[in-house]
Amino acid sequence: TQLLEQSPQFLSIQEGENLTVYCNSSSVFSSLQWYRQEPGEGPVLLVTVVTGGEVKKLKRLTFQFGDARKDSSLHITAAQPGDTGLYLCAGAGAGNNRKLIWGLGTSLAVNP
Amino acid sequence: SQTIHQWPATLVQPVGSPLSLECTVEGTSNPNLYWYRQAAGRGLQLLFYSVGIGQISSEVPQNLSASRPQDRQFILSSKKLLLSDSGFYLCAWSDGPGRETQYFGPGTRLLVL
Repeated sequence: TQLLEQSPQFLSIQEGENLTVYCNSSSVFSSLQWYRQEPGEGPVLLVTVVTGGEVKKLKRLTFQFGDARKDSSLHITAAQPGDTGLYLCAGAGAGNNRKLIWGLGTSLAVNP
Repeated sequence: SQTIHQWPATLVQPVGSPLSLECTVEGTSNPNLYWYRQAAGRGLQLLFYSVGIGQISSEVPQNLSASRPQDRQFILSSKKLLLSDSGFYLCAWSDGPGRETQYFGPGTRLLVL
């Protein structure tokens, strides 16, 4: 069974601090996605990483896919209260697999 | 552009009552469709997915069923709700094999009393 472990589960920081969220698995994924979800709403895609070692930047957010395509990280620089939310990672298996394997999420609170 | 709709947004139902949640997608054809349930502030549990009209795959045996009567319509149902069916239900779509990014609807908050 493929599993994705996210850490930490909960994170509470002050505005302006940096943070990193991790997503780890023993399985290889063809791609990995990061979503952000606000309370009472559906998750919204932030980024998809496909190539081992790939780094993508989205303003203050930096996403990295591990060389072996088994893990990923999300780094936020100078966090702002608007970054508060649940961050979810999801991995797509190789082949014609239409299902995503989901992590349990990291709940981030950025305090003013 | 593609959009996905879910309704109702919130639902309060008594134990033993039936359930019907509807999801529709606009702006795409032959999408893969998914129903998820999410516990408070945590990860997503895949309930059903469909790759075409009338084709339903069940991930978790439980008190729910799904149907896809039209290409862009996905329905989640129950004949008799249980307390444990309470939760946040999300519908999502994707383009298909090799393009696994999923796009989510706004969700339905279900409370069974």
